[in-house]
Amino acid sequence: DAGITQSPRHKVTETGTPVTLRCHQTENHRYMYWYRQDPGHGLRLIHYSYGVKDTDKGEVSDGYSVSRSKTEDFLLTLESATSSQTSVYFCAISTGPRNIQYFGAGTRLSVL
Amino acid sequence: GIQVEQSPPDLILQEGANSTLRCNFSDSVNNLQWFHQNPWGQLINLFYIPSGTKQNGRLSATTVATERYSLLYISSSQTTDSGVYFCAVELGGETSGSRLTFGEGTQLTVNP
Repeated sequence: DAGITQSPRHKVTETGTPVTLRCHQTENHRYMYWYRQDPGHGLRLIHYSYGVKDTDKGEVSDGYSVSRSKTEDFLLTLESATSSQTSVYFCAISTGPRNIQYFGAGTRLSVL
Repeated sequence: GIQVEQSPPDLILQEGANSTLRCNFSDSVNNLQWFHQNPWGQLINLFYIPSGTKQNGRLSATTVATERYSLLYISSSQTTDSGVYFCAVELGGETSGSRLTFGEGTQLTVNP
């Protein structure tokens, strides 16, 4: 599983509240990613990181921010959660010169 | 951005049957990966295959980059092959990590 842990695994929250999801890796990989998975859309990239404090936007970054203050942790924050952000969120890392991606177990988020 | 189309969207097989899943993409790519998402939601990397052919047990994959498609073959299917199969690609020329664009997947059901 490439040593990737996502927390929490499940969360229910209310519209307008802030939410932070955590991705933790144990193998010192440089690249980390956040995706969301919704029916009919496959997986879509939200943000990614190419090093400590180095991040960039993906395809669906509006309403999300990220931080990476140390190599092992990549945080995804919903500043003010909306019902459209109800989804399953996956963290991934990529390894080696081929950038092969490996995924965490996912976080199921429901915004009521 | 690059478009990724997978077919068929759904496939139902009897155990022991063979199948071919297709991934078409709209532009030159330097990275193509196949993933399996099992019924419990876990995403597993099957192949890194930007060109050529690879085999791993009952699974094999072929990418014809000049014609912009990739095929995933599953032989002698088993019930444990059930789940969603995703193709993901990265545009040629990208150098920062692997910003993959996913197709919508093929939902495979293998009946005993």
